[in-house]
Amino acid sequence: EDKVVQSPLSLVVHEGDTVTLNCSYEVTNFRSLLWYKQEKKAPTFLFMLTSSGIEKKSGRLSSILDKKELFSILNITATQTGDSAIYLCAVESRDYKLSFGAGTTVTVRA
Amino acid sequence: DGGITQSPKYLFRKEGQNVTLSCEQNLNHDAMYWYRQDPGQGLRLIYYSQIVNDFQKGDIAEGYSVSREKKESFPLTVTSAQKNPTAFYLCASSTWTGTNTGELFFGEGSRLTVL
Repeated sequence: EDKVVQSPLSLVVHEGDTVTLNCSYEVTNFRSLLWYKQEKKAPTFLFMLTSSGIEKKSGRLSSILDKKELFSILNITATQTGDSAIYLCAVESRDYKLSFGAGTTVTVRA
Repeated sequence: DGGITQSPKYLFRKEGQNVTLSCEQNLNHDAMYWYRQDPGQGLRLIYYSQIVNDFQKGDIAEGYSVSREKKESFPLTVTSAQKNPTAFYLCASSTWTGTNTGELFFGEGSRLTVL
């Protein structure tokens, strides 16, 4: 069975801190890894990574994939209270199945 | 506006009753998905479909059924065989390229409570 493990499960930081979220996986025939942000109900897309070692950036968020070691990290720099959310990692495997991790709950305090 | 519409947003049912959750998309996406989310847990895949009249079981398909008769519609039925149906259900769609699933677009979810 495909496995996606995120760590930590939760963390609390202060505004301006940098956050690093981890996602490790064991899947059959890896196709892609995706990061989502869930604030209230519907998760919203952040990044999709398919190639190892290539960093994707969007403002204060960045992510990188290591296909050899089977993990990805999501970095958030200069955190703001609006960054408080659940961050979900998903991995696409054979048959185009997308499996999600349990998520990391990030709380940013003013 | 293009998007995914789930209904109802909130639903209560008695034990032993079947219930159907609606999911409609007007994004012209080929692939559609149903996930279940429980408190403190991530999204678990129930069923997914990449093309009309075809669908596959996910990790927790037992007690659920789906149909894909039209490209824009992917209803989920929670049957009485589902042991613990109280949960938040999310429907999603994506443009399946044949290589990757790509970005998932999610609906606002349906919260089912079994009394």
